[in-house]
Amino acid sequence: DGGITQSPKYLFRKEGQNVTLSCEQNLNHDAMYWYRQDPGQGLRLIYYSQIVNDFQKGDIAEGYSVSREKKESFPLTVTSAQKNPTAFYLCASSISGQVSTDTQYFGPGTRLTVL
Amino acid sequence: GEDVEQSLFLSVREGDSSVINCTYTDSSSTYLYWYKQEPGAGLQLLTYIFSNMDMKQDQRLTVLLNKKDKHLSLRIADTQTGDSAIYFCAEKGAGNNRKLIWGLGTSLAVNP
Repeated sequence: DGGITQSPKYLFRKEGQNVTLSCEQNLNHDAMYWYRQDPGQGLRLIYYSQIVNDFQKGDIAEGYSVSREKKESFPLTVTSAQKNPTAFYLCASSISGQVSTDTQYFGPGTRLTVL
Repeated sequence: GEDVEQSLFLSVREGDSSVINCTYTDSSSTYLYWYKQEPGAGLQLLTYIFSNMDMKQDQRLTVLLNKKDKHLSLRIADTQTGDSAIYFCAEKGAGNNRKLIWGLGTSLAVNP
């Protein structure tokens, strides 16, 4: 089965702790994305990566960090500098290329609650 | 900058048609997408349309694109309670940037 997995589905952390959210895909997609979703605010892009070992900041990158050491994996670290980290986090991937539709496919999401 | 707008709520009766509307500002849009999100889940791609098309039909779903007015709609025929979800419109511009511009989502409630 091809797809995108995110783990865990629910995550609880104490304030001041860093936490890393996992995202893995076996679709052989070049590009991967992290979004944050808050009620009534739609999707906001945190970071994206178009190729291994390269990534760009999205619209709300402050307080987050990423790495892209392998094509299949794009972990997101929520640092203690992120002022309001409680949210639903979504990972997505897409095929890159000149003729690509750039259709993004999403994982099931991780709900992070900081206590 | 580019923007995508959707009405926030829509309520329909089971069996009726639903029409969810979306407007966008980027005149260089290449693809426009519709995604569905059920509670607590990720987004599921429903369909997409290339900007040189006017219409695309896929079973109960019909997408209409008016490029002149920058207006996109999603029609769901014979709406069922399982169609209750949030529907997101997104558009992709013409550049190499892979980012999509997202609407805030329309929450569809289907009443029995």
